[in-house]
Amino acid sequence: QVQLVESGGGVVQPGRSLRLSCVASGFSFSSYGMHWVRQASGKGLEWVAVISYDGSNRYYADSAKGRFTISRDNSKNTLYLQMNSLRVEDTAVYYCASSRSGWYGLFDNWGQGALVTVSS
Amino acid sequence: DFQMTQSPSSLSASVGDRVTITCQASQGIQKYLNWYQQKPGKAPKLLIYDASNLETGVPSRFSGSGFGTDFTLTISSLQPEDIATYYCQQYHNLPPTFGQGTKLEIK
Repeated sequence: QVQLVESGGGVVQPGRSLRLSCVASGFSFSSYGMHWVRQASGKGLEWVAVISYDGSNRYYADSAKGRFTISRDNSKNTLYLQMNSLRVEDTAVYYCASSRSGWYGLFDNWGQGALVTVSS
Repeated sequence: DFQMTQSPSSLSASVGDRVTITCQASQGIQKYLNWYQQKPGKAPKLLIYDASNLETGVPSRFSGSGFGTDFTLTISSLQPEDIATYYCQQYHNLPPTFGQGTKLEIK
């Protein structure tokens, strides 16, 4: 069955960097647009970034633009989110999600989430 | 960005009740509206896509309707396992945007 497994979360100081990974299995990863969505504790869902099936196109939320980079390695069925210049307000659970609609975000499968805590 | 407004923000109902949650888009989004269910400590789960299509494996007591700016999620007969927070989400345009959520509790 479809599985998305995130890793790489942790506690990091403001201004530092962190890279999340999401390993996919059970579906044709290289055919799907992939997204990151985050959720601060007790808050709603906030979309972060999308990458096209072949990695040629990317789009970011304003909150992530210039600091976060989404990438993928289709040979490893893995999605990444490089987060630089982290801020306290980036503290959240980060989910990777596959999108049946590709670019636009019909999130049909989600990972279990990776907790990122930005604190001094 | 397209703003999504859900109501109510919380709801208390009894087992067997019919429950309705509404979602309004700030601009027309045609049919491009999804509903998700999120239980505490878990990832969201897709329930309804394209406003009215039931995702495979989702119980038939869930249904969705609407087009354009006004949408509805209905649970025909509330079950204890339906206790969760429900989110609508548009994907007519980037960025995809979510409603603020509706927390459903058992009375």
